[in-house]
Amino acid sequence: DGGITQSPKYLFRKEGQNVTLSCEQNLNHDAMYWYRQDPGQGLRLIYYSQIVNDFQKGDIAEGYSVSREKKESFPLTVTSAQKNPTAFYLCASSFLDRTSGNTIYFGEGSWLTVV
Amino acid sequence: SQKIEQNSEALNIQEGKTATLTCNYTNYSPAYLQWYRQDPGRGPVFLLLIRENEKEKRKERLKVTFDTTLKQSLFHITASQPADSATYLCALRNAGNMLTFGGGTRLMVKP
Repeated sequence: DGGITQSPKYLFRKEGQNVTLSCEQNLNHDAMYWYRQDPGQGLRLIYYSQIVNDFQKGDIAEGYSVSREKKESFPLTVTSAQKNPTAFYLCASSFLDRTSGNTIYFGEGSWLTVV
Repeated sequence: SQKIEQNSEALNIQEGKTATLTCNYTNYSPAYLQWYRQDPGRGPVFLLLIRENEKEKRKERLKVTFDTTLKQSLFHITASQPADSATYLCALRNAGNMLTFGGGTRLMVKP
């Protein structure tokens, strides 16, 4: 089935640790995104990538890093510099053509908790 | 600054009634606006897209209007059902060509 796969669904991080969230898509989408969602809040853009080997910071990039070595994959690393990482993380992807309206397709999300 | 505002208070309605959700925006000149549905602990799912030259769009029990003069979109669910209970997000493309989401409105449909 086509879609976006995020893993793990639940992740616990100790203080000072880096953790990496995986995101894979088989929709042949050009662009991929990472959003953060805090309880009862909207989505905030962390990073996005429109082409392999290139990515840009979103609104809240501090304390996060990404890579885009393959079109299908866009992993997110939450570094120890991120002071409040406990949140729900959503990976997404889209085509970039105007006719599709750049409709975004989301994965099922990953819950990260600092312990 | 650019803002997308949705009512943060939950909307509670009785089954069978029409639910109407509002999305207001400032400092955007969007070519189109999108609506998504999000269930608890899940990723949002795309519902409808309406372009700036369209006044209204329908899909089954869903209807979206887009008033670029008022800078407002209304999202209607007719004959609402308990299964329609979810959070509904509107989204606009900003000047940087990125999709920006409103905070969402939670809809509760009571049987």
